[in-house]
Amino acid sequence: IAGITQAPTSQILAAGRRMTLRCTQDMRHNAMYWYRQDLGLGLRLIHYSNTAGTTGKGEVPDGYSVSRANTDDFPLTLASAVPSQTSVYFCATKIGIQTTSGNTIYFGEGSWLTVV
Amino acid sequence: QKEVEQNSGPLSVPEGAIASLNCTYSDRGSQSFFWYRQYSGKSPELIMFIYSNGDKEDGRFTAQLNKASQYVSLLIRDSQPSDSATYLCAVKGGATNKLIFGTGTLLAVQP
Repeated sequence: IAGITQAPTSQILAAGRRMTLRCTQDMRHNAMYWYRQDLGLGLRLIHYSNTAGTTGKGEVPDGYSVSRANTDDFPLTLASAVPSQTSVYFCATKIGIQTTSGNTIYFGEGSWLTVV
Repeated sequence: QKEVEQNSGPLSVPEGAIASLNCTYSDRGSQSFFWYRQYSGKSPELIMFIYSNGDKEDGRFTAQLNKASQYVSLLIRDSQPSDSATYLCAVKGGATNKLIFGTGTLLAVQP
């Protein structure tokens, strides 16, 4: 979906290394999210941010951190990668206003991460 | 019990048939319901959302919501091979007010 850019697209990472997945949006959406998707487990929320300057923990936050210095950027950092963090990571955004379409979440193209 | 449950499939239907995808949820207070389509190796894309009991139609797609029975379904009429994908049900609201995804149903439309 145009408007959400994730980088890198894929990465192989040695265990113990630090890694930051980048997410940038140009839609000026208030809310941003990081999900991981694993076979049989579906999409699980890692961290979220309802507005710039605020963040919150999702369902599986351990081992990950985020920051939201401005509206457009929402990087996800793995401080010390472990093999169980091998997954595909999706950044997502939501307008964040209380309308029928305001609850719709839009996804970036994903970042495939392999920790060896 | 999972919060949002879907049969993983694969659901196989012939081209031109109606595909029926089902989803049940546990939180009776849930208020918003979404269907996403995800092609292999791609990101989820929104197909439809529904908030009120009953049917909502958009082209070949119809979402059906029954809050009393706590299920939401997606019907795809005149199924095409290009509809072959994993369909994710997502539910929002209720106790946590968070968006919870099911694990998805794989649909295979046979030419």
